Amino acid sequence: AQSVTQLDSQVPVFEEAPVELRCNYSSSVSVYLFWYVQYPNQGLQLLLKYLSGSTLVKGINGFEAEFNKSQTSFHLRKPSVHISDTAEYFCAVSRKAAGNKLTFGGGTRVLVKP
Amino acid sequence: NAGVTQTPKFQVLKTGQSMTLQCAQDMNHEYMSWYRQDPGMGLRLIHYSVGAGITDQGEVPNGYNVSRSTTEDFPLRLLSAAPSQTSVYFCASGGGLAGSSYNSPLHFGNGTRLTVT
Repeated sequence: AQSVTQLDSQVPVFEEAPVELRCNYSSSVSVYLFWYVQYPNQGLQLLLKYLSGSTLVKGINGFEAEFNKSQTSFHLRKPSVHISDTAEYFCAVSRKAAGNKLTFGGGTRVLVKP
Repeated sequence: NAGVTQTPKFQVLKTGQSMTLQCAQDMNHEYMSWYRQDPGMGLRLIHYSVGAGITDQGEVPNGYNVSRSTTEDFPLRLLSAAPSQTSVYFCASGGGLAGSSYNSPLHFGNGTRLTVT
């Protein structure tokens, strides 16, 4: 079975500052990796995904993530955040043979301050 | 295009009551699933289905039943509600089957907030 650990439960950050959200996973088999965002009172939306190929993945809203196989990490970054980036962010993993069956991390709540 | 529709948005139950959370999708997705979201625990998979007539258990299936009679609908039943089932429930659908492509990522509904007293 795989598991996902998001190392920070909350990250306060000032507007226009950079932010990094950390995600580590464990799995004995090859995986796909995802970041989802949840705005207040809404469902989750896909930010980006890593399936194969380049380890640097660019997503929507200026976010990017880097897959590091040796460190089993998939950290999410944005060079300059906006107030509208205030949300909860979830890292998720699925085994390549498991289709859409995702295992989620505990989430990181980002609060962007003016 | 409605996407994934969940009803109701809010529900309060007394211990021992039963109810069904509804989920419908109009994207012709074969895969559908139910997650519960609890603070600090992320989303945990309850049950999932890879097509009409096929369902399987996820990580936390106890106390919940599902069925999949059509491609569009995937209801979640609580037979005898318990306070531990107080949570936010999300339905999600996707176009990928096991081992297939991820051209269609998971699409989530807006959730059902359930309180069991």
